[in-house]
Amino acid sequence: DTAVSQTPKYLVTQMGNDKSIKCEQNLGHDTMYWYKQDSKKFLKIMFSYNNKELIINETVPNRFSPKSPDKAHLNLHINSLELGDSAVYFCASSSGTVSGNTIYFGEGSWLTVV
Amino acid sequence: GQNIDQPTEMTATEGAIVQINCTYQTSGFNGLFWYQQHAGEAPTFLSYNVLDGLEEKGRFSSFLSRSKGYSYLLLKELQMKDSASYLCAVIPGGYNKLIFGAGTRLAVHP
Repeated sequence: DTAVSQTPKYLVTQMGNDKSIKCEQNLGHDTMYWYKQDSKKFLKIMFSYNNKELIINETVPNRFSPKSPDKAHLNLHINSLELGDSAVYFCASSSGTVSGNTIYFGEGSWLTVV
Repeated sequence: GQNIDQPTEMTATEGAIVQINCTYQTSGFNGLFWYQQHAGEAPTFLSYNVLDGLEEKGRFSSFLSRSKGYSYLLLKELQMKDSASYLCAVIPGGYNKLIFGAGTRLAVHP
């Protein structure tokens, strides 16, 4: 069973469209994250949720809106997609705060905006 | 600001030992992780250090010196499958997040 699963794995879409990426974890963790990995391979945190509450928002454009219906799910909706949004988006989860607790990553969603 | 530096690329021979260094300057420190990432795949956990010293786990070891803002990942008995990117990540003080370095791409050749 996949611990952190996200869909879709690959997404190609046109500029201006709105798209969503879904994430689910079956590890019983209470903290979930979205990370973005750009073409230079930097992994940067975008959002973090703890028990459905937003705790980190890293100056991400408000075109990106995370939603956590319950602590096992954290979806990412992106409005008005731009070319610069092309990247790999990783969902992740951990038990409690990140100090001392391993973050488990999903397999990534490859977003290409054309 | 937060800054994490590691070499961009390294090469090594199968069966050899390689050391990947990481230096960091962060506002506070709550721990350091090493992750392995194969091309096209998710990062996977290798090690966690929060106290000074060496943590050994099979063929992989990780060292931390908080006073020097320095860590290294040591890989022994290299195998071809160890060809991957190795990401150093730090938890700054007061934050519930990991700051990642750009990663070191390791190529193991026969």
